[in-house]
Amino acid sequence: DAKTTQPNSMESNEEEPVHLPCNHSTISGTDYIHWYRQLPSQGPEYVIHGLTSNVNNRMASLAIAEDRKSSTLILHRATLRDAAVYYCILIRQGAQKLVFGQGTRLTINP
Amino acid sequence: EADIYQTPRYLVIGTGKKITLECSQTMGHDKMYWYQQDPGMELHLIHYSYGVNSTEKGDLSSESTVSRIRTEHFPLTLESARPSHTSQYLCASSLAGVGYTFGSGTRLTVV
Repeated sequence: DAKTTQPNSMESNEEEPVHLPCNHSTISGTDYIHWYRQLPSQGPEYVIHGLTSNVNNRMASLAIAEDRKSSTLILHRATLRDAAVYYCILIRQGAQKLVFGQGTRLTINP
Repeated sequence: EADIYQTPRYLVIGTGKKITLECSQTMGHDKMYWYQQDPGMELHLIHYSYGVNSTEKGDLSSESTVSRIRTEHFPLTLESARPSHTSQYLCASSLAGVGYTFGSGTRLTVV
């Protein structure tokens, strides 16, 4: 499975945008880029995913580099409830399981 | 609202006891998974199932066992609990490997 690299931790302020980077230089053509997050004392939850084009949903936006070797999860206006560990995961088309790395622990300051 | 349910939420049990952690989903998902997570650490896949009567071991070796007799139900059993089994156990499901939904987890403490 292709690996991803994320910063261990990031910090931002409430009501400001947050850009969470992810490097995946060994990504293959059939790998989808998924983001999940895990709030304290909860199971992970799906945030967003994409293949080649940038994606937007009610939670976040996903910006994918043209060569697909990196991507950025964008929280447009962070709230305290966005404090969580964010996981960037590559899922190959037809893959049967989700494999987590260490993720980025995001702290939001009031 | 949760469509995947784990019980109990917390469990404290003595060494040597047999325990079963329950996981049920109401979404008709074919694939189900069990992950183990120690505090502040990453999630490790310990078991998964492609469907009824299908079970596979995950990437992290575990002394637990699972069964999948019904699509919606994927219980995890420890025949003889030990303190080393103390951890959080998270159940998840997906439809054809897309869009995983996780339960809230069972926090197990073996004393």
